[in-house]
Amino acid sequence: AQKITQTQPGMFVQEKEAVTLDCTYDTSDPSYGLFWYKQPSSGEMIFLIYQGSYDQQNATEGRYSLNFQKARKSANLVISASQLGDSAMYFCAMRDNTDKLIFGTGTRLQVFP
Amino acid sequence: GAVVSQHPSRVICKSGTSVKIECRSLDFQATTMFWYRQFPKQSLMLMATSNEGSKATYEQGVEKDKFLINHASLTLSTLTVTSAHPEDSSFYICSARRTSGAYNEQFFGPGTRLTVL
Repeated sequence: AQKITQTQPGMFVQEKEAVTLDCTYDTSDPSYGLFWYKQPSSGEMIFLIYQGSYDQQNATEGRYSLNFQKARKSANLVISASQLGDSAMYFCAMRDNTDKLIFGTGTRLQVFP
Repeated sequence: GAVVSQHPSRVICKSGTSVKIECRSLDFQATTMFWYRQFPKQSLMLMATSNEGSKATYEQGVEKDKFLINHASLTLSTLTVTSAHPEDSSFYICSARRTSGAYNEQFFGPGTRLTVL
């Protein structure tokens, strides 16, 4: 069965510092997609970054980068130069071959001045 | 990014009444939409996959007679919570899959907070 695991319920980071949010996954499918979403207190889910299972390079989107280690089945999100507005819940998700998204339990990131 | 709207954003109803939530993709067509439920401080749980022109596919444990889904057009899916009870109080989020996107990613609506008294 497919599964996404986020082991960090909460993380703190100082403004302007980098932070890594962990995500591991389990699947037997060779083809899958990995996503990171940000959910601020307003509740909306904001797409941040995507990594395909066949992508050779790690995905990057502005201050977000995905540290994809396929052999370890990990897809950690790295946020560089943290900003106060980055404080939110962050969800890692995997899309399976039926197009469903399976979400992890989330990590609450708090950025302090 | 693509825009998905949900209406209403917040609803309070009495126990036993039915509540309809609309999900619209505003600037793209979506043959597939998804409905999720999120309890406080928890993750999103997929309830059902809504397919335009056909019956929805429900996840295990989700009562199809209680959560009626209609995907009437390529831009609209509705979720009706029938005979709502306090335990149905939750945050309901829809998403629409844009097949023309770079990653076939799902774009999420802003969510609907349902409170059943």
